[in-house]
Amino acid sequence: SQKIEQNSEALNIQEGKTATLTCNYTNYSPAYLQWYRQDPGRGPVFLLLIRENEKEKRKERLKVTFDTTLKQSLFHITASQPADSATYLCALDMYNNNDMRFGAGTRLTVKP
Amino acid sequence: SQTIHQWPATLVQPVGSPLSLECTVEGTSNPNLYWYRQAAGRGLQLLFYSVGIGQISSEVPQNLSASRPQDRQFILSSKKLLLSDSGFYLCAWSGSGRSRGYTFGSGTRLTVV
Repeated sequence: SQKIEQNSEALNIQEGKTATLTCNYTNYSPAYLQWYRQDPGRGPVFLLLIRENEKEKRKERLKVTFDTTLKQSLFHITASQPADSATYLCALDMYNNNDMRFGAGTRLTVKP
Repeated sequence: SQTIHQWPATLVQPVGSPLSLECTVEGTSNPNLYWYRQAAGRGLQLLFYSVGIGQISSEVPQNLSASRPQDRQFILSSKKLLLSDSGFYLCAWSGSGRSRGYTFGSGTRLTVV
């Protein structure tokens, strides 16, 4: 069956450390993989997209890797801040279908 | 710039009552439109998507339906709500290329009582 698994429901880290979130998938062949941030009671906000032929993408303190052999993406937030506390969702975009499949998310808490 | 509007923000409805949630997009034409539902502590479940006026694809065969009467308007409906319809409903749009990801509305918290 098809699955998208994000490593844990919750992740707690200390301010200034690097947060690493994992997204694993099975029985999908995504053309793109996307990461979103969701705050409580709000809609998700798009952060980064990485294509199947890209290994790594960076944006400010964010870094995403994509390994289509391992069927895994890693999402890093360096020099984390309490304001980074939120739920982070990974999403697979199969492109040929007009939809996207989301993982359940990892709730990140950055403690001061 | 493009904006997406979704309303109402919260809704409490009795079981068996009808539902109508509306979503509109501004600043773009011919967007792909989506309705998602998010249950507490769970991922987003795709309900419907539309690539054009009158074109609706359903992912979940339930007592919900969707319509797209205008290019930038997407409506989620039900004739009779069930308790299991409670959740956080999100509308989203994307361009045909989707390289910029999806843009979500602010969501509607629906509680069926």
